Amino acid sequence: AQTVTQSQPEMSVQEAETVTLSCTYDTSESDYYLFWYKQPPSRQMILVIRQEAYKQQNATENRFSVNFQKAAKSFSLKISDSQLGDAAMYFCAFNTGTASKLTFGTGTRLQVTL
Amino acid sequence: EAGVTQSPTHLIKTRGQQVTLRCSPISGHTSVYWYQQALGLGLQFLLWYDEGEERNRGNFPPRFSGRQFPNYSSELNVNALELEDSALYLCASSLWVETQSTDTQYFGPGTRLTVL
Repeated sequence: AQTVTQSQPEMSVQEAETVTLSCTYDTSESDYYLFWYKQPPSRQMILVIRQEAYKQQNATENRFSVNFQKAAKSFSLKISDSQLGDAAMYFCAFNTGTASKLTFGTGTRLQVTL
Repeated sequence: EAGVTQSPTHLIKTRGQQVTLRCSPISGHTSVYWYQQALGLGLQFLLWYDEGEERNRGNFPPRFSGRQFPNYSSELNVNALELEDSALYLCASSLWVETQSTDTQYFGPGTRLTVL
């Protein structure tokens, strides 16, 4: 079975600080993609960052970066210089070419305080 | 470039009724996915359509069905509504190519369905 585990239901970070959200996954596939999506109160699911499993280099998108540890099946998201607009539910997800559907974790609610 | 659009935004139905939700993918995308986000159950995969064909189906009863039109837009139909069908229904689109390992899905704003 393919599963995604986000062990932190809620996290809090001060504005301008750095926070790391954890994610582990399990799959028997060797070729897959990993994603972090953000869902603000508007409920629109927004792609934050993606990582191809075959790439060793960690993906970065401006203030967002990942720490991808393939052997450990770990895919954490680091948000640097946190902003009030980063407050949202963050979902870790992955998919494989065979089924293409996304398997999501349960989400981490991030609060950003002044 | 316009994103994924969904209609309606909100919907209120009663038990036993039928509902149709609509989704228009990003221009150029051929795949449409439907997900259900119910309270306490997280995001669950419902259906995947590509080039007009149903490619994969999640663990949902047959009263959940859909189709994809020649212009790649899609409908999700739910028959005999039950209270537990109350959820946010999210549509996503991608350009799925069989020779690639996978794709990136972009989501619409969702349709909030309330069943009374």
